[in-house]
Amino acid sequence: AQSVTQLGSHVSVSEGALVLLRCNYSSSVPPYLFWYVQYPNQGLQLLLKYTTGATLVKGINGFEAEFKKSETSFHLTKPSAHMSDAAEYFCAVSDSWGKLQFGAGTQVVVTP
Amino acid sequence: DAGVTQSPTHLIKTRGQHVTLRCSPISGHKSVSWYQQVLGQGPQFIFQYYEKEERGRGNFPDRFSARQFPNYSSELNVNALLLGDSALYLCASSFFSGSPGNEQFFGPGTRLTVL
Repeated sequence: AQSVTQLGSHVSVSEGALVLLRCNYSSSVPPYLFWYVQYPNQGLQLLLKYTTGATLVKGINGFEAEFKKSETSFHLTKPSAHMSDAAEYFCAVSDSWGKLQFGAGTQVVVTP
Repeated sequence: DAGVTQSPTHLIKTRGQHVTLRCSPISGHKSVSWYQQVLGQGPQFIFQYYEKEERGRGNFPDRFSARQFPNYSSELNVNALLLGDSALYLCASSFFSGSPGNEQFFGPGTRLTVL
C-alpha cells in the first residue's frame, strides 16, 4: 500500500521568500509522485510529477521538486513566493492503476 | 478545449435522500475517476472507470455507485445520504487507465451539503 505524509498543515511565507513544502511517501514499488495545487473553490491543478529519470522535476509557476529515494521524500520548493501562490497544496502517490493517494494538504499563506 | 465539467456546482440534500452527480471528461479521454474531499482533508479515491468498466473502487460503502456512459461521461450516485457525506466531489479524467504516471485532469467539483 502507498501513502504520503505532508509535514505542516499550514505554512506562512513572506512575499519573495523561499517556499518549502514537505512530503514523505511510503511505497512498496518505485513511486510515481505528484504535486497538485488547489485554489479556493476550484479543482486540483497539476504542478509537477515524477515518474522516472531525472530526480529534480520542474513544474509550472516556478515550482520544482526533488525526488530523494534514500529519504523517501518529494519536497516542493519555489525560490521566491508571490501573492498568487496562496493556495492549498497536495502531494500524491499513484498506484499501478493510476489511483492517487493524497496527503492531507498544506495551506500556504503569503504575507506582504 | 473545454476542461472537465461537473454538474451541479452546489447541492443541498437532507439525510436519507439520494443524489446524482455528473461529470463530462475532456474530449478524447476515456477514463474517469471520482474523489471525495471532506473539508480540511485531501481527496479520497472512490471509483475509476475506463471504457465503461469499473477499474477500481476505494473504501466506500455500497451506498456509493457509479457508471460510465458510451460517450465517456460519468455519474456518481449516493443513496441514503448521511451527514458525513457532505464534501466536495471531484471528477478527474485521463486518456488511459492502468498507467501510474498518467496525468489526471480535475474538474471544479460539486459541493454537496447534507442537512
